[in-house]
Amino acid sequence: EDKVVQSPLSLVVHEGDTVTLNCSYEVTNFRSLLWYKQEKKAPTFLFMLTSSGIEKKSGRLSSILDKKELFSILNITATQTGDSAIYLCAVHSGNTPLVFGKGTRLSVIA
Amino acid sequence: GAVVSQHPSRVICKSGTSVKIECRSLDFQATTMFWYRQFPKQSLMLMATSNEGSKATYEQGVEKDKFLINHASLTLSTLTVASAHPEDSSFYICSASWDRNNEKLFFGSGTQLSVL
Repeated sequence: EDKVVQSPLSLVVHEGDTVTLNCSYEVTNFRSLLWYKQEKKAPTFLFMLTSSGIEKKSGRLSSILDKKELFSILNITATQTGDSAIYLCAVHSGNTPLVFGKGTRLSVIA
Repeated sequence: GAVVSQHPSRVICKSGTSVKIECRSLDFQATTMFWYRQFPKQSLMLMATSNEGSKATYEQGVEKDKFLINHASLTLSTLTVASAHPEDSSFYICSASWDRNNEKLFFGSGTQLSVL
């Protein structure tokens, strides 16, 4: 059975801190790993990763995939209160729908 | 980016009422749409995969007679919660993909259903 495990489940940091969110997976026929940010409503797309070792970057957020060790990390530098959200990791394998992890709830306090 | 519109955003209804939720892809054709349910502080749980012009594929444990899915066109899928009960209260989200492999999904804004 395909599995996606995120850690930590929740995290509280102060503004300006750097955080690293983890996502490990066990799936057959891996195709891609995706990160989403979910605030009050629907998840918004952050990154899609398909190749090992290539960092994807968007502003203060970056992510990288390790297909050998089967994990990905999402880094957020200089955190702001607006970064407070649930961050979801999902993995796509073959033709199956995305398998989501339970998410990491990030709270950034001023 | 692609836009997926979901309506209504919030429904409060009495027990026994049927509730219809619409999911539209506004600027692309989506041969496949997905319906999820999310309980508070939990991740998205896939309920069913909706394919245009054919019957939906339901995940294990999801009652197909309770959650009726229709995908009448390439831009519209509907989820009807039949005879809703308080335990059906939840946040329902749809998503759609514009690529054949359904990798990059775009989500609707969700529907908060509260059944009294």
